[in-house]
Amino acid sequence: DIQLTQSPSFLSASVGDRVTITCRASHAIANYLAWYQQKPGKAPNLLIYGASTLQTGVPSRFSGSGSGTDFTLTISSLQPEDFATYHCQQLNHYPWTFGQGTKVEIQ
Amino acid sequence: EVHLVESGGGLVQPGGSLRLSCLASGFTFSDFSLHWVRQAPGRGLEFVSAIDRTAYSTHYADSVTGRFTISRDNSKYTLHLQMTNLGAEDSAVYYCVKSGGRSYGYDYYGMDAWGQGTTVTVSS
Repeated sequence: DIQLTQSPSFLSASVGDRVTITCRASHAIANYLAWYQQKPGKAPNLLIYGASTLQTGVPSRFSGSGSGTDFTLTISSLQPEDFATYHCQQLNHYPWTFGQGTKVEIQ
Repeated sequence: EVHLVESGGGLVQPGGSLRLSCLASGFTFSDFSLHWVRQAPGRGLEFVSAIDRTAYSTHYADSVTGRFTISRDNSKYTLHLQMTNLGAEDSAVYYCVKSGGRSYGYDYYGMDAWGQGTTVTVSS
């Protein structure tokens, strides 16, 4: 199975901060990577697919980059509604594994 | 608008069985692969199972292989997960999830629609 390692696991930040989350794959996955946002008690919501393409309706402050084994999710200016847990997922080969998640908390 | 509504969760004793269902609407059901993803309390997301558009191909996580069976009825827009020999490690919220693309095995488009989840608790 392809392992995904997200860092950091927890992140404390303030409104307006620029935030970067990384996701490293144990094997190359080209750009078959997605990012999800999950709020407590809710299902995940797709933010980015193909490593860098914004899902329809997602604010432009979110961006993704990377290819191969190293990927990043960036929030350019953190908003109150962005405090949540973020998950990366590889969709290159079954099982489609997830990272362990990054919880973004209010500082 | 795409809707996925899971049902069938509940409390079951260790060693017991449960059948989850997912009723879909808002898209052409037979055009997309479907998945089950679970999340144990306070834990991350875990891929459980996948099924292609025609139900010809399926895939399972190692942790559920031989115990869980995924199936679909394209005429009824429903997805199922038959779970047997359940253990405490299977306690989780189970999500029905739609692929964003039309391929199977790999997908550029991510998982673009999720149900609200159904909770499975395995306990005596």
